[in-house]
Amino acid sequence: DAEITQSPRHKITETGRQVTLACHQTWNHNNMFWYRQDLGHGLRLIHYSYGVQDTNKGEVSDGYSVSRSNTEDLPLTLESAASSQTSVYFCASSASKGAREQYFGPGTRLTVT
Amino acid sequence: SQQGEEDPQALSIQEGENATMNCSYKTSINNLQWYRQNSGRGLVHLILIRSNEREKHSGRLRVTLDTSKKSSSLLITASRAADTASYFCATAPNSGNTPLVFGKGTRLSVIA
Repeated sequence: DAEITQSPRHKITETGRQVTLACHQTWNHNNMFWYRQDLGHGLRLIHYSYGVQDTNKGEVSDGYSVSRSNTEDLPLTLESAASSQTSVYFCASSASKGAREQYFGPGTRLTVT
Repeated sequence: SQQGEEDPQALSIQEGENATMNCSYKTSINNLQWYRQNSGRGLVHLILIRSNEREKHSGRLRVTLDTSKKSSSLLITASRAADTASYFCATAPNSGNTPLVFGKGTRLSVIA
């Protein structure tokens, strides 16, 4: 069965370190998304990609970057982790940009100390 | 910023009762979707209603859409303890390249 996976599931890192969160999907979807979820803010879009070599900034992109070198993967990098980036991160994929449903990964809980 | 805003923020009901959650949005949409999130898990898609539809059913779920009022409601009938979760609405804007915009969610607790 097709799926979307994230790794690691939990991560503790120190302020200033570079961190990369992995997202892998076997749906063969062109469209992939990264969100962060914080109490009181719901789900906020960080970056998204509509295909290989395509990346776009979302609502809260400062301090984050993504690159898309193949269809299956969209890694999220925190260039220099800050305590404000402590959050739960979700990756999602979709067969279309907005007209179809999104499939979510299980999430990565990141703590920046 | 979120386009969809769910109401209420939290809802507590007894098992067997119906649960109604509302979502309001600001701009014209292609479709509106509802998702469920169990504690510690990712979101799961429940139902999609297109802008030219007024009502849609899926099992115990009933979704309505009123584009004139820019609002939608999700009704869960005969609720069960397993329905305890957070529910989010997400709007797909009419501009084709814009991703879904999620609301902040309604936390539903169903007490057995």
